[in-house]
Amino acid sequence: DAGVIQSPRHEVTEMGQEVTLRCKPISGHNSLFWYRQTMMRGLELLIYFNNNVPIDDSGMPEDRFSAKMPNASFSTLKIQPSEPRDSAVYFCASRVAGVIDTQYFGPGTRLTVL
Amino acid sequence: AQSVTQLGSHVSVSEGALVLLRCNYSSSVPPYLFWYVQYPNQGLQLLLKYTTGATLVKGINGFEAEFKKSETSFHLTKPSAHMSDAAEYFCAVNTGFQKLVFGTGTRLLVSP
Repeated sequence: DAGVIQSPRHEVTEMGQEVTLRCKPISGHNSLFWYRQTMMRGLELLIYFNNNVPIDDSGMPEDRFSAKMPNASFSTLKIQPSEPRDSAVYFCASRVAGVIDTQYFGPGTRLTVL
Repeated sequence: AQSVTQLGSHVSVSEGALVLLRCNYSSSVPPYLFWYVQYPNQGLQLLLKYTTGATLVKGINGFEAEFKKSETSFHLTKPSAHMSDAAEYFCAVNTGFQKLVFGTGTRLLVSP
């Protein structure tokens, strides 16, 4: 079975550019999470969705960040405009909503903003 | 609020030695506890979890952890380290609102 799929795996962009990260959760999972990992702040939850609806976006750092989940098999995290301090590894994870169970992580997208 | 504390950002052991990674939690609800492992340039992978029932939990790759409510701990152990165990390990606790709170991670270094 395919796990969580993220694209691109690596992204290098210049400050001020728009960046879009993509995630395909595991089929049948209806809860999706976006995390950011940096050396300084560790692993931070940015936002999570249940049944395509954003439930908690309190971790989104500022208005430059937005996330959508138009359907059960696809989500995007957009940064506009990007800044060097956004450089990090961004992970997507999914699981079955309503059950305190394992979150399955994707391989991550390493974002570098120059 | 729920939180976890991992003692020691780095732990070094020799191959064949006991591995002990420490995790203490704080939770206002009965906790569900998790250990994840992250290998270089990869996502997090579940090692084991405690939800209810038996307090000694066995996971993959020979790891196990014991839930001790009186000590609010969930330490991860492995009797004999292997070179392939070198990775970063994260302890996590559920918040009761479907979210997980992760610790800051412990990097395990294994020397020959």
